[in-house]
Amino acid sequence: EAQVTQNPRYLITVTGKKLTVTCSQNMNHEYMSWYRQDPGLGLRQIYYSMNVEVTDKGDVPEGYKVSRKEKRNFPLILESPSPNQTSLYFCASSKGQPRDTGELFFGEGSRLTVL
Amino acid sequence: RKEVEQDPGPFNVPEGATVAFNCTYSNSASQSFFWYRQDCRKEPKLLMSVYSSGNEDGRFTAQLNRASQYISLLIRDSKLSDSATYLCVVVSGNTGKLIFGQGTTLQVKP
Repeated sequence: EAQVTQNPRYLITVTGKKLTVTCSQNMNHEYMSWYRQDPGLGLRQIYYSMNVEVTDKGDVPEGYKVSRKEKRNFPLILESPSPNQTSLYFCASSKGQPRDTGELFFGEGSRLTVL
Repeated sequence: RKEVEQDPGPFNVPEGATVAFNCTYSNSASQSFFWYRQDCRKEPKLLMSVYSSGNEDGRFTAQLNRASQYISLLIRDSKLSDSATYLCVVVSGNTGKLIFGQGTTLQVKP
């Protein structure tokens, strides 16, 4: 089954404790991206990657890091989480650039709470 | 001003009703438009594209008004299963990135 898989789905952590949210897709998509979704603000892009070893900042990259060492994986790293990073996070992928088809395939989301 | 704006609702309608949502965008250079659906506590999924000539898919019709810079989604004969949040997506004319609206919530009641 074609899918985007995120882990963990739920996480409660404390300020400053490094964490990684993994994302993996099995559709051989070139494009991958991370979004955060907050009430009243909609989905905002954190980072994206056009292909292996190519990553770029989105609209809200502060406090996050990413890497794209393999085509299928695109982990999101919070080196020192803070409470304002409490949010619902989505990983997404697309065959080619999403602006062409508009179709992003999203993972099920990771709800992160930073105390 | 946000680049993409939607009325968050909620829109509460009875089964069988026709309901329409609008979404306005600020960048006149925007080229492509889409509607996504997001069920409660689930991930967004592409519902349909919005073409200049309009686009119909069953009970759903999407239209674009470039002059007034808005897109619309019309749902006819609403079903309980249509209850969800509908996200407007605009491809930025400057960056080519997908810009998501905050969503409009629809509740269809029996």
